[in-house]
Amino acid sequence: EAQVTQNPRYLITVTGKKLTVTCSQNMNHEYMSWYRQDPGLGLRQIYYSMNVEVTDKGDVPEGYKVSRKEKRNFPLILESPSPNQTSLYFCASSTRDRGVTYTNTGELFFGEGSRLTVL
Amino acid sequence: AQKITQTQPGMFVQEKEAVTLDCTYDTSDQSYGLFWYKQPSSGEMIFLIYQGSYDEQNATEGRYSLNFQKARKSANLVISASQLGDSAMYFCAMRVPSGGYNKLIFGAGTRLAVHP
Repeated sequence: EAQVTQNPRYLITVTGKKLTVTCSQNMNHEYMSWYRQDPGLGLRQIYYSMNVEVTDKGDVPEGYKVSRKEKRNFPLILESPSPNQTSLYFCASSTRDRGVTYTNTGELFFGEGSRLTVL
Repeated sequence: AQKITQTQPGMFVQEKEAVTLDCTYDTSDQSYGLFWYKQPSSGEMIFLIYQGSYDEQNATEGRYSLNFQKARKSANLVISASQLGDSAMYFCAMRVPSGGYNKLIFGAGTRLAVHP
């Protein structure tokens, strides 16, 4: 079954304690990204990766790190979590566009979400 | 600036009636895609429907249709014959060309409640 798997699904931690949220996809997608969801703001992109060893900042990268050492995995690292990083996090993946006129929907496949609380 | 606006924080509808969820977008790109996602209380994101900027026909997927008005830059979601299971948060999103990858820009969402 094609899927994006995130772990943990729920986590409560304390300020400053490093944590990693893992993300793995089994669809051989080149593109992966992380979003955070906050009430009234929708989903905002944190980081993205176009392929192995290629990552770049999204709209809200402060306080986060990522790595892409393998095509299937894209972990999100919070080196020193703070309460303002309490949020619902989504990992997503897709194939890379083939041209300006889209020949497919380019649909993003989302993981089930990871709800993080930083006390 | 590229932006998605959903002006309805919450909507409610009677079961079996139709409901329209509003979405307007702003982009200077000629080639873009518009999506609607459903997020039930369990939290996962469920893809509903897609409309490409060059598609002349409005997209339809079962009870979902997308009312695409390009000149007005609107992409409203119409749900016909609402069901209790349609109660959820709904997000409109726009994909624009950006170095050959699929970045989506999301609206703030509309929470739909279907009443029996």
